[in-house]
Amino acid sequence: QPVLTQPPSASASLGASVTLTCTLSSGYSNYKVDWFQQRPGKGPRFLMRVGTGGIVGSKGDGIPDRFSVLGSGLNRYLTIRNIQEEDESDYHCGADHGSGSKFVWVFGGGTKLTVL
Amino acid sequence: QITLKESGPTLVKPTQTLTLTCTFSGFSLNTTGAGVGWIRQPPGKALEWLGLIYWNDDNRYSPSLKSRLTITKDTSKNQVVLTMTDMGPVDTATYYCAHRQGDGYNYGPLDYWGQGTLVTVSS
Repeated sequence: QPVLTQPPSASASLGASVTLTCTLSSGYSNYKVDWFQQRPGKGPRFLMRVGTGGIVGSKGDGIPDRFSVLGSGLNRYLTIRNIQEEDESDYHCGADHGSGSKFVWVFGGGTKLTVL
Repeated sequence: QITLKESGPTLVKPTQTLTLTCTFSGFSLNTTGAGVGWIRQPPGKALEWLGLIYWNDDNRYSPSLKSRLTITKDTSKNQVVLTMTDMGPVDTATYYCAHRQGDGYNYGPLDYWGQGTLVTVSS
């Protein structure tokens, strides 16, 4: 099954842009990854799904255009433009793998984004 | 509008069985392709997937927890129940349920989540 790796922390200034990375383990370059935002004390919120061709399907409800994704090789990127205070959150990536009794869903360790 | 909400005990003793209920609205588990998943998050740690149940009673469980987990549904009440046996301190976490939709062959993400419920395991 794939392993998803995320840097534990990132920071960006108000109004700036930041790109967060989720890296799939070797051999899983064709996998789609889901991005989630988790504000302090809240449950995760689905942002969007990304594959090597970019976004897959629709964004989650109410996700602004400032949020976008790209995929390349083993990396799945989430870019936030014009960062706002409310973007300070933990960002998680996840992916499903397998079928039947071998189905699993894996998550990365999450990246804590600090808005300066 | 899809909403989900978890409920259950906030404190359980070691070796006890945990039962959590996910009550949802805005979709039906009678609909082909609908599913509800359970995910947990220990304090300060990463998300961990526990299992899923689909409209056709098909279940999927985390291999590492499979022997301790049971997920069932009550479509008349719009509820999904998670049961986890032999609870220990390492199971202290916020437990979330989430919605998933597909067509029976291809499935989308966990696109709507509940607010979560914190369960502490302590004597």
